[in-house]
Amino acid sequence: GDSVTQMEGPVTLSEEAFLTINCTYTATGYPSLFWYVQYPGEGLQLLLKATKADDKGSNKGFEATYRKETTSFHLEKGSVQVSDSAVYFCALGAGAQKLVFGQGTRLTINP
Amino acid sequence: KAGVTQTPRYLIKTRGQQVTLSCSPISGHRSVSWYQQTPGQGLQFLFEYFSETQRNKGNFPGRFSGRQFSNSRSEMNVSTLELGDSALYLCASSLGQGTMGYEQYFGPGTRLTVT
Repeated sequence: GDSVTQMEGPVTLSEEAFLTINCTYTATGYPSLFWYVQYPGEGLQLLLKATKADDKGSNKGFEATYRKETTSFHLEKGSVQVSDSAVYFCALGAGAQKLVFGQGTRLTINP
Repeated sequence: KAGVTQTPRYLIKTRGQQVTLSCSPISGHRSVSWYQQTPGQGLQFLFEYFSETQRNKGNFPGRFSGRQFSNSRSEMNVSTLELGDSALYLCASSLGQGTMGYEQYFGPGTRLTVT
């Protein structure tokens, strides 16, 4: 079945460091891919998405490119801030509004 | 535009009881999906409703059920609560169709504790 694998956390970085969170997927067909972020005590917020191969999603300095050949959708940011501390989830659309999520990666940014 | 609202935000129930959670989607959204979030299992899809019809269902026992009303508001019900049902229950709304159909917007969740 469809699945998403994210790099294990937690990840701790210093402010202004470069961020990469790896995400790979297994799916039939060509699903839409998403990154969601969850701040403490809140629901999930859609961070960015890509709907077809080679699409690049971007938002708030974060980017991810849909790589069909490597079945990946890695999240990157050039310079992280303390306010980026949160849990990040990679997800794929698996039909009729069903999202399949990775296990989440907790990110902590130290000033 | 108002976001997705869920009520109540926190709930404490006793094993064996039943519970009903409510979700009001973003205005104009016709699809509502429900997810369970636990530390052990992560985020798992429960079911999705579109125009009052269940279109998709996850791998949960029949104790978990839902419905959607004509105004797109949705409820989910869990009967005969078990300790393992303690979780954050998240509701998400979307247009449900078209190219933007997969963009799901989540509510803050209902934190259910079963004792």
